[in-house]
Amino acid sequence: NAGVTQTPKFRVLKTGQSMTLLCAQDMNHEYMYWYRQDPGMGLRLIHYSVGEGTTAKGEVPDGYNVSRLKKQNFLLGLESAAPSQTSVYFCASSYVGGRDTQYFGPGTRLTVL
Amino acid sequence: KNQVEQSPQSLIILEGKNCTLQCNYTVSPFSNLRWYKQDTGRGPVSLTIMTFSENTKSNGRYTATLDADTKQSSLHITASQLSDSASYICVVSASGGYNKLIFGAGTRLAVHP
Repeated sequence: NAGVTQTPKFRVLKTGQSMTLLCAQDMNHEYMYWYRQDPGMGLRLIHYSVGEGTTAKGEVPDGYNVSRLKKQNFLLGLESAAPSQTSVYFCASSYVGGRDTQYFGPGTRLTVL
Repeated sequence: KNQVEQSPQSLIILEGKNCTLQCNYTVSPFSNLRWYKQDTGRGPVSLTIMTFSENTKSNGRYTATLDADTKQSSLHITASQLSDSASYICVVSASGGYNKLIFGAGTRLAVHP
């Protein structure tokens, strides 16, 4: 099993450009999450999904959109990138919520110039 | 406000020595506390999960403790190895909903030969 994979690994954007980050998991997990990690701060939840076709806002959702058209995939979109969105983005998945372990992908390092 | 604070921010130890990392939290209602290990350039990997009723849990050379009364946790690493060099993140889950996690900023541990 590959676990949780993310593409791309690195990306540089100019302000105002758009892009989509792809997360895929092969563990048949119901829950999927997108986080961002900034220096000196804990991971912060952007959006999450509790099942195929569902999405919900997390702690820092502004400037991002998500879609979960297939159970195994969770897409994070930036419609008009801003320098404040320079960060490392992590996708995670879990079988259910509650006490269940979240499994993280390797991350995508995004720089917005 | 729900917060998780970790200390120290960074730590250097010699290979073979023991160390203890600290985590204080103000999260309510409390569900569980997790410790994750994050290698440089990778996503976090779960080490332990403890609920309110568990005050210690081990995973190999890693032992986590939880004092729910004082809202403190520690992660003790025994006989450190070079591969223990990583960031260690304390994560507290609040009850209810989708499994809301509050992440600490992490302790960066460097093990030197």
